[in-house]
Parts: sequence; C-alpha cells; structure tokens
Amino acid sequence: GAGVSQSPSNKVTEKGKDVELRCDPISGHTALYWYRQSLGQGLEFLIYFQGNSAPDKSGLPSDRFSAERTGGSVSTLTIQRTQQEDSAVYLCASSLGAGGHSPLHFGNGTRLTVT
Amino acid sequence: AQSVTQLGSHVSVSEGALVLLRCNYSSSVPPYLFWYVQYPNQGLQLLLKYTSAATLVKGINGFEAEFKKSETSFHLTKPSAHMSDAAEYFCAVSDRGDTGRRALTFGSGTRLQVQP
Repeated sequence: GAGVSQSPSNKVTEKGKDVELRCDPISGHTALYWYRQSLGQGLEFLIYFQGNSAPDKSGLPSDRFSAERTGGSVSTLTIQRTQQEDSAVYLCASSLGAGGHSPLHFGNGTRLTVT
Repeated sequence: AQSVTQLGSHVSVSEGALVLLRCNYSSSVPPYLFWYVQYPNQGLQLLLKYTSAATLVKGINGFEAEFKKSETSFHLTKPSAHMSDAAEYFCAVSDRGDTGRRALTFGSGTRLQVQP
C-alpha cells in the first residue's frame, strides 16, 4: 500500500518568508509525528498527534512553528518568518496505534533551505 | 524523561567483519526500544524492535539486538558486514507508561561505513 507521503520534497525559501510542509500519513494510522533532522544531528521531535487528543507540542522550538492535522489525516507544519537555522530535513511519520510500541513509518522528508 | 545515547557517530568495518553499534538508554520505566536505518537519500525504516518478549531480537537484513536491563543497553549487531549495510543507524526509545510522551526519542545516529 501507499506509504507516508510528504510534499514538497525540496523547498528553498528566503529568510523571513513563511513555509508550509505537508504530510499524508498511511491510511488508518491514528498517530502522526513530525521530526526535524539537521545535518550531522539526530532526529529532533517536534510534535505528535494521536486521534482526537490534544497534540503534544512539547518539541516545537519556538512559536514560529505550528502544526495542524485536519480530519485525523493530513497534517501541515507551518514555519513563520523562517530563519537560516530552520534549514533541515523535516520528517513526518505515522503509526497504527497509540501505544509506544507501534513502529513508525517515515516519509522521505522535506528538505528545507532558508537562504 | 527518556533518552538515548549512541556511542560513536561513525563506525567503519571491513566487509565480512562483525558490526557492533552501541546504544544505551535512560527511562523511568522499562521501555520499548527500536533500531531504525536510513540509507542514503531515503527515509528511515524499521530494523527491529524490543517490546518485552524475548530479549534477543532479530530484525531484517541479518541484524539483531539484545536488550540488557542491567546495562541499560540495546546494542545492534550483525555477524558479517555487507557493503549494502552502509547507512546511518538510529536507536530510539519510547516510554511504555500510561503517561508521558508516546513519540519516540532518537539517538544522534551512527554512520556505518563498510570497507571492501
């Protein structure tokens, strides 16, 4: 079946502009995650959605970052007034269940470059 | 709070040699543990997971990992490296408690190089 789909695959933007990154999770997966992967670093947790529960936003680095998940499916990560330090690969993942044991299925990511 | 430490950001082995990638975790409760692999220009994919059944877990591509509670470790091994194993490997931990964040906490990754 289809995997997690992210768009765009690459995004180049000017400092100060807003960007929106999209994630289509696997159908039926109730949990959705956003991570950020910077060059030479591991994966940094950003935000987690589970069903209709309030999202866990504890990883968002600043109030310039926000995310929505509409209808329990598609999610959009928005970065306002982008800065050069926002340049990274943004990874979306989904999983079948709420439990921590459910493995994550990752998309190929959106590579964001802020010039 | 849960955390993961991967010792060695880069590991280089010869083809056919043993692969050992180290992972130590910190968690307030017995955790779920995972290894993910990221091949060049690809997304992360699951190698194996530990969820409290057998402490020795076998994964794809000949990899396995052993959960050692006394050492708080979950090291990844493969008896004989293949060129196609060159990738970045991430250890991850998830709290199995009813409270706390369910998202995985990842280590900083270990890049495996396989020399011919």
